[in-house]
Amino acid sequence: SQQGEEDPQALSIQEGENATMNCSYKTSINNLQWYRQNSGRGLVHLILIRSNEREKHSGRLRVTLDTSKKSSSLLITASRAADTASYFCATPTYSGAGSYQLTFGKGTKLSVIP
Amino acid sequence: EAQVTQNPRYLITVTGKKLTVTCSQNMNHEYMSWYRQDPGLGLRQIYYSMNVEVTDKGDVPEGYKVSRKEKRNFPLILESPSPNQTSLYFCASSPSSLGSNQPQHFGDGTRLSIL
Repeated sequence: SQQGEEDPQALSIQEGENATMNCSYKTSINNLQWYRQNSGRGLVHLILIRSNEREKHSGRLRVTLDTSKKSSSLLITASRAADTASYFCATPTYSGAGSYQLTFGKGTKLSVIP
Repeated sequence: EAQVTQNPRYLITVTGKKLTVTCSQNMNHEYMSWYRQDPGLGLRQIYYSMNVEVTDKGDVPEGYKVSRKEKRNFPLILESPSPNQTSLYFCASSPSSLGSNQPQHFGDGTRLSIL
């Protein structure tokens, strides 16, 4: 079952603008991860934010986490054409014996127009 | 270079003809997993393995088999493929599944078409 749900499903912006994607989830989490998928390629891990963190930065990426609202956002600043990709949030689901599985949302498809 | 390698990248085959998609990782990761990605449904986990000889079902295991005889390899087997298994498949690995702070490394995917 889907834990994280991204919003919007698709986003189109001009190069240089900022892009914001949101993720909502249902149950309590230890952390939330964001991944990028270029067309036809595998997912690439971008950033992990722990449940006791509110904000995290990595280069042009800024991730926030609001555990009271069960939501996270990914902001890409000064977007470039190369940022065109699908972006997924993923949350760990406990599967027993200390083991976790990642559950992915359906993704936001970002198009950055040069 | 650290990587997860899947083969083949593309395959068109017919219903009922057994096929195997191989997955190999060179990072000495304990945990490996298979996903399928379908439009509108996102990524769904098929099977996963926490270590050698330890495998378990994910969300959509029907019609698939896996094995984990060596740490680096985790093949996905379709004994009798059907058209509803046409999809984009990804293998992924992480150092461990213990603890939740484990980013996964993905292969480049295998696009399967079952006619």
